[in-house]
Amino acid sequence: GQNIDQPTEMTATEGAIVQINCTYQTSGFNGLFWYQQHAGEAPTFLSYNVLDGLEEKGRFSSFLSRSKGYSYLLLKELQMKDSATYLCAVYDSNYQLIWGAGTKLIIKP
Amino acid sequence: DSGVTQTPKHLITATGQRVTLRCSPRSGDLSVYWYQQSLDQGLQFLIQYYNGEERAKGNILERFSAQQFPDLHSELNLSSLELGDSALYFCASSSGTGHTDTQYFGPGTRLTVL
Repeated sequence: GQNIDQPTEMTATEGAIVQINCTYQTSGFNGLFWYQQHAGEAPTFLSYNVLDGLEEKGRFSSFLSRSKGYSYLLLKELQMKDSATYLCAVYDSNYQLIWGAGTKLIIKP
Repeated sequence: DSGVTQTPKHLITATGQRVTLRCSPRSGDLSVYWYQQSLDQGLQFLIQYYNGEERAKGNILERFSAQQFPDLHSELNLSSLELGDSALYFCASSSGTGHTDTQYFGPGTRLTVL
């Protein structure tokens, strides 16, 4: 079967750095997305990785290792507004987007 | 603002009833996706349309149906509603020009079945 694993919940301190991991077992791989979702709101696109390596976008970076079936989202200089659920999603060999259950990130002052 | 619009924002109805949710994709996008998200649950993919044709089907119940019209807006019809159908329903759109398009989500319709 197809599976995406993310930690259910993480806690971090304002101003710190946090890394949210995502491992996937899918039938093929055609790219990985990270989305941010605040409670009761729509998911918003953060990043897309299809090749190995690090993609940096401001305070957020996303890393991919296709050989390990692994990605992480790195959030720096955490702000209270970063409290949200972070969703990892992978396009499989049939170009179906498989979604993880999400990681709820709690930022404490 | 993603450019995807959904109406209504909230819907309250009774068990056994039928409702229609509407979605307008971003300008120029040809693909529309429907998702269900129950309280504190992950996104469940329901169905995708591309330029009026059904492209992919997920865990969509037989009581649910959807269509995409020539102007590319889409409607999701939910019938014989049950309490468990209470959820946030999101529509997303993508350009549809490539297999790995980024999906942009609308604000969602919150359905409450009493």
